[in-house]
Amino acid sequence: GAGVSQTPSNKVTEKGKYVELRCDPISGHTALYWYRQSLGQGPEFLIYFQGTGAADDSGLPNDRFFAVRPEGSVSTLKIQRTERGDSAVYLCASSLTGAFTDTQYFGPGTRLTVL
Amino acid sequence: GIQVEQSPPDLILQEGANSTLRCNFSDSVNNLQWFHQNPWGQLINLFYIPSGTKQNGRLSATTVATERYSLLYISSSQTTDSGVYFCAVPDNYGQNFVFGPGTRLSVLP
Repeated sequence: GAGVSQTPSNKVTEKGKYVELRCDPISGHTALYWYRQSLGQGPEFLIYFQGTGAADDSGLPNDRFFAVRPEGSVSTLKIQRTERGDSAVYLCASSLTGAFTDTQYFGPGTRLTVL
Repeated sequence: GIQVEQSPPDLILQEGANSTLRCNFSDSVNNLQWFHQNPWGQLINLFYIPSGTKQNGRLSATTVATERYSLLYISSSQTTDSGVYFCAVPDNYGQNFVFGPGTRLSVLP
């Protein structure tokens, strides 16, 4: 079946604008994760959903970042009043149950550039 | 929180050579995964290896949990092995992964 998909693949915006990034997980996966990867670094955890609820949002850097997963499938990461420091690749991953032993399957990422 | 280190940061190999990548972590873990990020940015899970040794083709991994390190072995490297290799362990609450800084591997033809 299809893997994790993310749209758009690239997003260029101006400082201060609002952006939405979308993630379509693998069908049937209850766990969904958002990560942010800056150039030359490993992915950094942002938020984890179990079903519709955010089980852990401790990685969100500040209140300009928000994510939803209203039906327990597609998730949207929302960034308000974007800053140049938000420029990064935003990765989404899903796993079957969120258990320790689960494999996380990653999407191709959305490259966000804030001018 | 838990700290993850990887070495070497960069590695250049001639095709056909073998290599060993190392991951050190600061606290005991019950999960460790190795990932490969190809030059186009796609992250692929290679191994779930909380302890012991696993092999998959030319790749194998060993984790010695009591000594807080894991090794990834690549034998007879190919140009398609190029990319960045990350190890990742659960954070203190076990809900998400903390990634190391990665080892960037370049395999030359």
